[in-house]
Amino acid sequence: QVQLVESGGGVVQPGRSLRLSCVVSGFTFSRYGMHWVRQAPGKGLEWVAVISSDGRDKQYAGSVKGRFTISRDNSKNTLYLQMNSLRAEDTAVYYCAKIDCGGDCPPDYWGQGTLVTVSS
Amino acid sequence: DIVMTQSPLSLPVTLGQPASISCRSSQSFVHSDGNTYLHWFQQRPGQSPRRLIHKISNRDSGVPDRFSGSGSGTDFTLKISRVEAEDIGVYYCMQATHWPWTFGQGTKVEIK
Repeated sequence: QVQLVESGGGVVQPGRSLRLSCVVSGFTFSRYGMHWVRQAPGKGLEWVAVISSDGRDKQYAGSVKGRFTISRDNSKNTLYLQMNSLRAEDTAVYYCAKIDCGGDCPPDYWGQGTLVTVSS
Repeated sequence: DIVMTQSPLSLPVTLGQPASISCRSSQSFVHSDGNTYLHWFQQRPGQSPRRLIHKISNRDSGVPDRFSGSGSGTDFTLKISRVEAEDIGVYYCMQATHWPWTFGQGTKVEIK
């Protein structure tokens, strides 16, 4: 049974930092690129970042580039998102997701999301 | 960045009737491998998203055959042949060819 469990969300002041984690089970984590996707309250989906299976390649949305860092620890089946210099507009539910569609396009998997609220 | 524009943003439907959602991109996005990575996602109320259609027209495993995708170039469509109650939610197109990946604004499908 596949599970992606995010944690680390909460209320944080503007300008501060937060680190999200996503623990994965049920598939071979080290074989797949992993993504973070966020959703502001009542709004649509926004792709945030991706990391390759070996952790070497990363891409970011322009809105978070230079402030957020995606990383992974394949020995712990865990994906991370380090968020620095947080802004009010970063307030959202953050989902970790396996949504790559290379080759035979394997199934997508999503976590339940963790809410980050940036407010003074 | 490639801008994905969906229409309509709200779609009142009658159960048992068809529904159609349009997704247009600001530019074509054919990958160097020849594929167009245009996907459709469904998000039911209170749930995480899930992919329904990948690469324009391929249904993901377990997706009912009343869902179909089509299109090419910059124009894409998701169709539901006969809407059922469980189809209520928000539908998003997404291009996954060029970084950054981008979603459409979402189309809310609700019962008329």
